[in-house]
Amino acid sequence: DAGVIQSPRHEVTEMGQEVTLRCKPISGHDYLFWYRQTMMRGLELLIYFNNNVPIDDSGMPEDRFSAKMPNASFSTLKIQPSEPRDSAVYFCASSPRDRGRGETQYFGPGTRLLVL
Amino acid sequence: RKEVEQDPGPFNVPEGATVAFNCTYSNSASQSFFWYRQDCRKEPKLLMSVYSSGNEDGRFTAQLNRASQYISLLIRDSKLSDSATYLCVVNYNTDKLIFGTGTRLQVFP
Repeated sequence: DAGVIQSPRHEVTEMGQEVTLRCKPISGHDYLFWYRQTMMRGLELLIYFNNNVPIDDSGMPEDRFSAKMPNASFSTLKIQPSEPRDSAVYFCASSPRDRGRGETQYFGPGTRLLVL
Repeated sequence: RKEVEQDPGPFNVPEGATVAFNCTYSNSASQSFFWYRQDCRKEPKLLMSVYSSGNEDGRFTAQLNRASQYISLLIRDSKLSDSATYLCVVNYNTDKLIFGTGTRLQVFP
């Protein structure tokens, strides 16, 4: 079975440019999570969806960040405009119904973003 | 104070050694506890859940002390392949996980 798919795997862009990260969750999973990981702050939850509806976006750093989930098989995280401090690894994770809690979160391979 | 705190390490141990990692959490309402493993430049993966009575999975033993708000992971007979970062994870009975920043383990021959 395919796991969580993320694209692109690497992204290098210049400050001020728009960046769009993509995620395809595991089929049948009802929860989708976006995380950001840096050396300084570790793994931080940015936003999560349940049945395509955003439930908690309190981790989104600021208005430059936005996330959508137009259908059950696709989500995007957009940064506009990007800044050097956004450089990090962005992970998407998904989880089955009623099992969003903990052990059954499956992570994608991540997108390594570098903003110059 | 961070919600989940871990010693970042690194812990450098020889093959065959026993090594233990500790983790403390700040929210006494925490309900579920886990250890995730993250290899270099890879995604986190669930290693094991942590149950109140303690639990074992092969060479790995997890313990929980609710009174002290403390979780531990013990690895016996370390292998080179155990080299990774170990993330302590706490859940407050919601859909969200709170991750520690991880403890890095390096096993050498």
